[in-house]
Amino acid sequence: AQKVTQAQTEISVVEKEDVTLDCVYETRDTTYYLFWYKQPPSGELVFLIRRNSFDEQNEISGRYSWNFQKSTSSFNFTITASQVVDSAVYFCALSGNTGFQKLVFGTGTRLLVSP
Amino acid sequence: DAGITQSPRHKVTETGTPVTLRCHQTENHRYMYWYRQDPGHGLRLIHYSYGVKDTDKGEVSDGYSVSRSKTEDFLLTLESATSSQTSVYFCAISEGHGGETQYFGPGTRLLVL
Repeated sequence: AQKVTQAQTEISVVEKEDVTLDCVYETRDTTYYLFWYKQPPSGELVFLIRRNSFDEQNEISGRYSWNFQKSTSSFNFTITASQVVDSAVYFCALSGNTGFQKLVFGTGTRLLVSP
Repeated sequence: DAGITQSPRHKVTETGTPVTLRCHQTENHRYMYWYRQDPGHGLRLIHYSYGVKDTDKGEVSDGYSVSRSKTEDFLLTLESATSSQTSVYFCAISEGHGGETQYFGPGTRLLVL
């Protein structure tokens, strides 16, 4: 069975601090995909990134970066120089790639960025 | 942004009444999904569709049914709503399965009294 664990329920930081959101996953598949979604206070779910299991290169997009490590089954998300607009709930998710593979979500990490 | 709309966006209903939620997409994606979001559970899959009239159950399908008569529309029906079905419901779409990115609609907040 596939499982995603986001052990940090809530994180509070002050603006301009760097923050890392942890994501640990379990799967027996050799090919799988990892995702991050953002849910701001307005409630919609915004896709941030998709990474396949064969690409362990770290990804950077502006202030966002992702560190994928198969050896520790982790796909962590770092926000550099956080801003108030980063306040949201962030979900990590996992999917296999054979047949129908549902998207398995973690329980989310609520990030509060205060001015 | 993916063209996905959900209606209604908010609904209050009473226990025992039928409720239908609608998801409409303009992307012509083959796969459509219904999830529910509850505190402490993240998002859980209710039902999904892999084509017109082709649907299957997810992990929390009891008490729900779905229908897809057109590519663009995916309906979720609560035959007899219960208080445990109070939740936020999200529709999602994807071009394919098995690792394809799912894009989500704005959500429907349902309160069953």
